[in-house]
Amino acid sequence: NAGVTQTPKFQVLKTGQSMTLQCAQDMNHEYMSWYRQDPGMGLRLIHYSVGAGITDQGEVPNGYNVSRSTTEDFPLRLLSAAPSQTSVYFCASSYPGILGEQYFGPGTRLTVT
Amino acid sequence: AQSVTQPDIHITVSEGASLELRCNYSYGATPYLFWYVQSPGQGLQLLLKYFSGDTLVQGIKGFEAEFKRSQSSFNLRKPSVHWSDAAEYFCAVPNNAGNMLTFGGGTRLMVKP
Repeated sequence: NAGVTQTPKFQVLKTGQSMTLQCAQDMNHEYMSWYRQDPGMGLRLIHYSVGAGITDQGEVPNGYNVSRSTTEDFPLRLLSAAPSQTSVYFCASSYPGILGEQYFGPGTRLTVT
Repeated sequence: AQSVTQPDIHITVSEGASLELRCNYSYGATPYLFWYVQSPGQGLQLLLKYFSGDTLVQGIKGFEAEFKRSQSSFNLRKPSVHWSDAAEYFCAVPNNAGNMLTFGGGTRLMVKP
């Protein structure tokens, strides 16, 4: 099993550009989520999904879109990047009902100039 | 709303010394509580979890944590720290609906030789 994979590992964007961060898992987990990590603030939930076709907002959803067309994939889209979106992004997955036992990907470090 | 606080941003201990990392929670009922570890450049890994029952829980890598309802705390401990324990540690609690995790701000552990 590859677990949770994320691409790319690093990305630099200019303000206003768009991009998609990819996340995939091969554990047949129904629950998937995206977090951003900023110094001193821990991880903050951006969006989550409890299954294919179902997504919902987390704590900091503004500026981000998600979709879940398959169980395996949960891409995060930045429509118009802003410097405030400079962060490290983590994707995670778990079985429903065992929310805390999340499996995290290695992260994507995004810089917006 | 549920929340967790980690009062110590940085902690430095000598190799072989004991360790205690603090976590305080705010939650209406008996919470589920988790500790995660993040090694440099990596995603998060679950160390241990508390759901109910015995208030002293054992985790991986020789860590343990004790749930104390009277103090609203779930402190992480290790009797003898190894250099490889240098990492950032996060306490987390799910919301009432069980569809979101709230993380503390993290404690960065440094280990002196």
